[in-house]
Amino acid sequence: AQSVAQPEDQVNVAEGNPLTVKCTYSVSGNPYLFWYVQYPNRGLQFLLKYITGDNLVKGSYGFEAEFNKSQTSFHLKKPSALVSDSALYFCAVRDRGSQGNLIFGKGTKLSVKP
Amino acid sequence: SAVISQKPSRDICQRGTSLTIQCQVDSQVTMMFWYRQQPGQSLTLIATANQGSEATYESGFVIDKFPISRPNLTFSTLTVSNMSPEDSSIYLCSVERSSGVGEQFFGPGTRLTVL
Repeated sequence: AQSVAQPEDQVNVAEGNPLTVKCTYSVSGNPYLFWYVQYPNRGLQFLLKYITGDNLVKGSYGFEAEFNKSQTSFHLKKPSALVSDSALYFCAVRDRGSQGNLIFGKGTKLSVKP
Repeated sequence: SAVISQKPSRDICQRGTSLTIQCQVDSQVTMMFWYRQQPGQSLTLIATANQGSEATYESGFVIDKFPISRPNLTFSTLTVSNMSPEDSSIYLCSVERSSGVGEQFFGPGTRLTVL
């Protein structure tokens, strides 16, 4: 069965420090991979995606993610965290052979302190 | 991206009643989806709504409980029927462009509380 794991319920980072939010997946074949962010009382916003090509993907707000096929991981990163990055982050995957069905991880709460 | 609106943004309902949630998109899209996000949990796909065909429901969700309409390429509704407190969740619609490669764009969500 397809699944996504975000092993950390919460990540705490000091402003200005680099951040990493972890994601691993279990999908047959080569999946599409996504990161979304959810700010309080708001819907999900698309951050970035991996389809093919370069393993390092750059997205919105200075975020990037690294696809590692051998480790089946797609960790979200940012070189210098901002307090405004504090939000709930979701990793999602989709089987290339299916239409539409995104499988979401349980989410990781990122807290950036000044 | 797409601009997606949902109505209502939130509601408090009594047990046994039904609520219809509307989702409006600013452009024509082929695929629309309805998700549920229970308190403190991740998103779970309820169904896929394509214009001109019956909605396709995921395991654990049935049409009698969550009837969906998709009358045109910019609009869909989800009804939560015969509600119970366990239905208290955020309900989100999303769209995927036919020209896209998988990313979905989400509406702001409808926060439903059932008493």
